[in-house]
Amino acid sequence: TQLLEQSPQFLSIQEGENLTVYCNSSSVFSSLQWYRQEPGEGPVLLVTVVTGGEVKKLKRLTFQFGDARKDSSLHITAAQPGDTGLYLCAGRTNTGKLIFGQGTTLQVKP
Amino acid sequence: EAGVAQSPRYKIIEKRQSVAFWCNPISGHATLYWYQQILGQGPKLLIQFQNNGVVDDSQLPKDRFSAERLKGVDSTLKIQPAKLEDSAVYLCASSPTGLTGPGYGYTFGSGTRLTVV
Repeated sequence: TQLLEQSPQFLSIQEGENLTVYCNSSSVFSSLQWYRQEPGEGPVLLVTVVTGGEVKKLKRLTFQFGDARKDSSLHITAAQPGDTGLYLCAGRTNTGKLIFGQGTTLQVKP
Repeated sequence: EAGVAQSPRYKIIEKRQSVAFWCNPISGHATLYWYQQILGQGPKLLIQFQNNGVVDDSQLPKDRFSAERLKGVDSTLKIQPAKLEDSAVYLCASSPTGLTGPGYGYTFGSGTRLTVV
């Protein structure tokens, strides 16, 4: 069974701080996706990383795919209250299955 | 383009009753997924369709859950009979990609929040 371990599960920080969320697995994925989900809504895709070692930036968010395509990280610079939400990583298997980690609940206090 | 449509948005039923959820994916999307999400956790895959065929239903509790995707478009997920532990949000997602490759274009609906009392 392929599993994705996300850490930390909860994060409460002050506005302006930096943070990193990790997503780890013992399995290789054909791609790794990051989503953000707000209460009462479905997950919204932020980014897809495909190549080992790939780094993508989305404004203050930086996403990295591990060299072996088994792990990924999300780094937020100067967090803002609008970044509050549930962050989910998801790995796509070679059969097209999309498996999610447990999620990281981020609270950014003004 | 229109997103993934799901209905109803909310449903409250008593245990042992039955319930059905409906999903209309983005037009042309071949792959459709149903997920179960407990509050504050990551979604758990229940079933994956490719067109109108089942690709993976290994985590679907088949004694009470069933799903179909007629004509490779809309899909329904049914629970009969419901248990208290089925209380969750049921999410539908679709993607235009096939089974191989990195995949792209995943879009989720807003989900159906089920409460079993």
